[in-house]
Amino acid sequence: AQSVTQPDIHITVSEGASLELRCNYSYGATPYLFWYVQSPGQGLQLLLKYFSGDTLVQGIKGFEAEFKRSQSSFNLRKPSVHWSDAAEYFCAVALNTGGFKTIFGAGTRLFVKA
Amino acid sequence: GAVVSQHPSWVICKSGTSVKIECRSLDFQATTMFWYRQFPKQSLMLMATSNEGSKATYEQGVEKDKFLINHASLTLSTLTVTSAHPEDSSFYICSAPLSSGISSTDTQYFGPGTRLTVL
Repeated sequence: AQSVTQPDIHITVSEGASLELRCNYSYGATPYLFWYVQSPGQGLQLLLKYFSGDTLVQGIKGFEAEFKRSQSSFNLRKPSVHWSDAAEYFCAVALNTGGFKTIFGAGTRLFVKA
Repeated sequence: GAVVSQHPSWVICKSGTSVKIECRSLDFQATTMFWYRQFPKQSLMLMATSNEGSKATYEQGVEKDKFLINHASLTLSTLTVTSAHPEDSSFYICSAPLSSGISSTDTQYFGPGTRLTVL
């Protein structure tokens, strides 16, 4: 069955430090991968997506992610975290099963300390 | 960018009553919308796919008679939680893909969610 795994329930990073959030997927075909951020009281916002082509994807707010087929991973990175980045981050995969469905990972809560 | 709104943003109701949640695409048309449910500290679980002009498609384990979905227009889908019980308390989120087709390459836009509390 298709699945998305985010191994880290929460991560704490110092402001200005680098960040990497892990995501692994299980899907037989070429996946369409996404990272979303959810802040309290706000809807999910798309950070970036990977459909094909360059495996290093640039997103908004200084985020990037790298698709590694051999590792079935799509980790999210940011070189320097800002306090405003504290939020819940979801990795997701879109499945082309005759319709459009998105399967979400469990999420990783990012805490940023001063 | 595209905007999806939900109304109400939060609702408290008594057990046994029904609650309707609206999802609107404000500046684009959506033949398809999706309804998710999110429990505290958990991920989003897809409940159903709402199709304009036809019946919704429910995910396995979701009771179609309890969660009624109507997609009456290209900009509005409603989710009605019938005979709500405390275990239905959750955060309900809708989304809509920007294009009119169904494609895995469509970018989804999410509503801000509706917090339902059933007493």
